Amino acid sequence: QQQVKQSPQSLIVQKGGISIINCAYENTAFDYFPWYQQFPGKGPALLIAIRPDVSEKKEGRFTISFNKSAKQFSLHIMDSQPGDSATYFCAASSQETSGSRLTFGEGTQLTVNP
Amino acid sequence: DADVTQTPRNRITKTGKRIMLECSQTKGHDRMYWYRQDPGLGLQLIYYSFDVKDINKGEISDGYSVSRQAQAKFSLSLESAIPNQTALYFCATSDFGAGGGRDTQYFGPGTRLTVL
Repeated sequence: QQQVKQSPQSLIVQKGGISIINCAYENTAFDYFPWYQQFPGKGPALLIAIRPDVSEKKEGRFTISFNKSAKQFSLHIMDSQPGDSATYFCAASSQETSGSRLTFGEGTQLTVNP
Repeated sequence: DADVTQTPRNRITKTGKRIMLECSQTKGHDRMYWYRQDPGLGLQLIYYSFDVKDINKGEISDGYSVSRQAQAKFSLSLESAIPNQTALYFCATSDFGAGGGRDTQYFGPGTRLTVL
């Protein structure tokens, strides 16, 4: 069973628009929520991460919004650029598994049209 | 990516063959992982190792085995490959997060495996 559900599976956005990817989790022990970005032919790489003690974290054009009560978190990409075209994975981990073991969502393929 | 290398990058094999995928890292990390990526399923953990003497099963370990030959080397074997093991395989490493922080996982470039 998928403990972290991600949507949409694919997303097409125009240059300059806002991209929004959503994730929901079930395990209330999860306490660390990273997002990974994967370009074609490459392995995923950490993009941004959040802990549940804050509701939002922003790094440049990338923002994570976190709703603990709803067990949901989302990635917002402002002013989306063609170079942002990639697959994005949300993930979660808990201290119960030493914090190293990540559970990934299904992935979202983002295409930003010029 | 150059810190984590995977060989081969592409492999085509036949049903029933034994195959080994190799991973090497120069990051000096103790923790290493093997994932499988399938379209629509994301990344699924096959095995992970927190040090040379520690091997743990992940979510989908059936049909796979691993060997941690050294801190820097972690190999994944398919004892008798079957077509539904056709996938993209990633090795990753991480270092224990200090000060309550969490590990960042660093992924290799992947191995595309096709089982006919």
